[in-house]
Amino acid sequence: QSVLTQPPSVSGAPGQSVTISCTGNSSNIGAPYDVPWYQQVPGTAPKLLIYDTNKRPSGVPDRFSGSKSGTSASLTIAGLLPEDEAYYYCQSYDSSLRDMVFGGGTKVTVL
Amino acid sequence: QVQLVQSGAEVKKPGASVKVSCKASGYTFGAFVVHWVRQGPGQRLEWMGWVNSGNGHTRYSQKFQGRVTFTWDTSATTAYMELSGLTSEDTGVYFCARGFAKLVVVDYWGQGALVTVSS
Repeated sequence: QSVLTQPPSVSGAPGQSVTISCTGNSSNIGAPYDVPWYQQVPGTAPKLLIYDTNKRPSGVPDRFSGSKSGTSASLTIAGLLPEDEAYYYCQSYDSSLRDMVFGGGTKVTVL
Repeated sequence: QVQLVQSGAEVKKPGASVKVSCKASGYTFGAFVVHWVRQGPGQRLEWMGWVNSGNGHTRYSQKFQGRVTFTWDTSATTAYMELSGLTSEDTGVYFCARGFAKLVVVDYWGQGALVTVSS
């Protein structure tokens, strides 16, 4: 059971948009901590996608965007492409646990 | 360019220990922290802790406290993670990743090291 809750899967047709939610509480997402997002293609290492809630490292397309409100954060992928099929994870810090925490991961399927 | 290259796959028996290495290059080793993250068969990511070779500080996740030890060799720009008392539930891929003191984000990851625990 992960501290941060994500839907197990989301899907969309090419060109559509999908949004992945990440729900926590006042000790993690609801506190003033960053919520980075990572993309992982099975068999490879995670790759940083979003940091500082909505900033993208160099090379990450602007189709990926993040947001945060209250105790939840979201990742939106606009204009889905076949290469976006992957697992996506949110992350934060939990002040009660004093640990970094990850969401359980969401599998994105491009139909 | 920043690279983190980890040691190879290991097969261990229950009760044994495993030591995974993470060779860093392309940046000043002591200026960043190294996180360790485990991924079990179900794809879930578990944070194990971090080590700051610049000031010698370590932080272990409560789940792994007492069983895991982080060390480093500054001259070799290499970090190490040793996990003891292995059980089948420790089977998974162990990643190292570069992070920043006082920040949540990690920006570069190693390729992962598969550890299989089996009798």
